Amino acid sequence: GQQVQQSPASLVLQEGENAELQCNFSTSLNSMQWFYQRPEGSLVSLFYNPSGTKQSGRLTSTTVIKERRSSLHISSSQITDSGTYLCAMERGNTDKVVFGTGTRLQVSP
Amino acid sequence: EAAVTQSPRNKVTVTGGNVTLSCRQTNSHNYMYWYRQDTGHGLRLIHYSYGAGNLQIGDVPDGYKATRTTQEDFFLLLELASPSQTSLYFCASSGWGAETLYFGSGTRLTVL
Repeated sequence: GQQVQQSPASLVLQEGENAELQCNFSTSLNSMQWFYQRPEGSLVSLFYNPSGTKQSGRLTSTTVIKERRSSLHISSSQITDSGTYLCAMERGNTDKVVFGTGTRLQVSP
Repeated sequence: EAAVTQSPRNKVTVTGGNVTLSCRQTNSHNYMYWYRQDTGHGLRLIHYSYGAGNLQIGDVPDGYKATRTTQEDFFLLLELASPSQTSLYFCASSGWGAETLYFGSGTRLTVL
């Protein structure tokens, strides 16, 4: 079954609103990462965050290992934040990095 | 900035055709990965490698071969392409297993 569950599947915001994206894991959590996929398809690494909290500009990632979850918070959303956000984790200690199906974010003026 | 280059950017072939997708990384990374992305499935791991001559099986390997000829180059081979292999293919590299992945721009493959 799906080991990486992302929610919500899609989200529509007005510019300036905040967003909280969730990633939940059915197995023990290793090596959590967040990616942004631009509308034209290219993938950009946002965070490598196996535990704790990391911040970069308006983005904050929090990973709680014992609860098998990670979140991505976007503050003061902008139109250019529109796209798909993907989380990924290492399955066990296999070096296999597996992805969730993503959250599609649309930010409107 | 890590650099991963995929070629071609787009490819159209017919059922039964032979296709090779290429990936080169100039980051001196040990690990390289091949994924396919389809609507509703996200990115799914096909094959990966932790060094020249090494190959590890991913989650959706059927119909695909891969070869890591050097530390820089990782190839994905479809020897008898089928329409079910129509997809967007991504290559990625990382320094060590499951560390930050750096992705190429993708190859869109259409099998008619």
